[in-house]
Amino acid sequence: QITLKESGPTLVKPTQTLTLTCIFSGFSLNTSGVSVGWIRQPPGKALEWLALLYWDDDKRYSPSLENRLTITKDTSKNQVVLTMTNMNPVDTATYYCAHRNYFDGRGCYNPWGQGTLVTVSS
Amino acid sequence: DIVMTQSPDSLAVSLGERATINCKSSQSLLYSSNNKNYLAWYQQKPGQPPKLLIYRASTREFGVPDRFSGSGSGTDFTLTISSLQAEDVAVYYCQQYYSTPHSFGQGTMLEIK
Repeated sequence: QITLKESGPTLVKPTQTLTLTCIFSGFSLNTSGVSVGWIRQPPGKALEWLALLYWDDDKRYSPSLENRLTITKDTSKNQVVLTMTNMNPVDTATYYCAHRNYFDGRGCYNPWGQGTLVTVSS
Repeated sequence: DIVMTQSPDSLAVSLGERATINCKSSQSLLYSSNNKNYLAWYQQKPGQPPKLLIYRASTREFGVPDRFSGSGSGTDFTLTISSLQAEDVAVYYCQQYYSTPHSFGQGTMLEIK
């Protein structure tokens, strides 16, 4: 069974750097085709794709946020970390991580973690 | 970047009636090498993460009731709920995973009339 869980601060101040960790089980990021993505959702708004990290360490970012985002992995700990610099109140959102396997016949994001709400406020 | 546009933004349907949600992409999502459309549909209920309903435009995920179906190809897609149940009240999103950024539609809120 694949599970993912996001962790990190619930409150950050404007201009600070946010660091979120996705701890997963039930799969390995060493397996060909596997990736972990981050998606966020401001309160009452739509989903926004942020970043994707592949098993071979290839990384893809949202063009609008690319200069603020970094995604990394610690395969030994089954963790993926997302950092976002220069946080702003508009970055207040629930942040989700999700599993993706290019070779599982689906190729889309399934399953997702429960999400973690991050509020940006002074 | 591929832009995903859903219609309508909200929809009210009577119990037992059909609900139809549309999704249009700014570029084709059909992968020529395997003739598959890289389009997924998710259901999101309040306080919950999105749940995968349909992948590759028309394949129902395990455990999803057969009243949910997906259709379409290229740039135009549809999610249909054949007979609306009370538990189907949710926001529905389409997502393309043809190329990064893997963009989502703006969502369609489905309610009971």
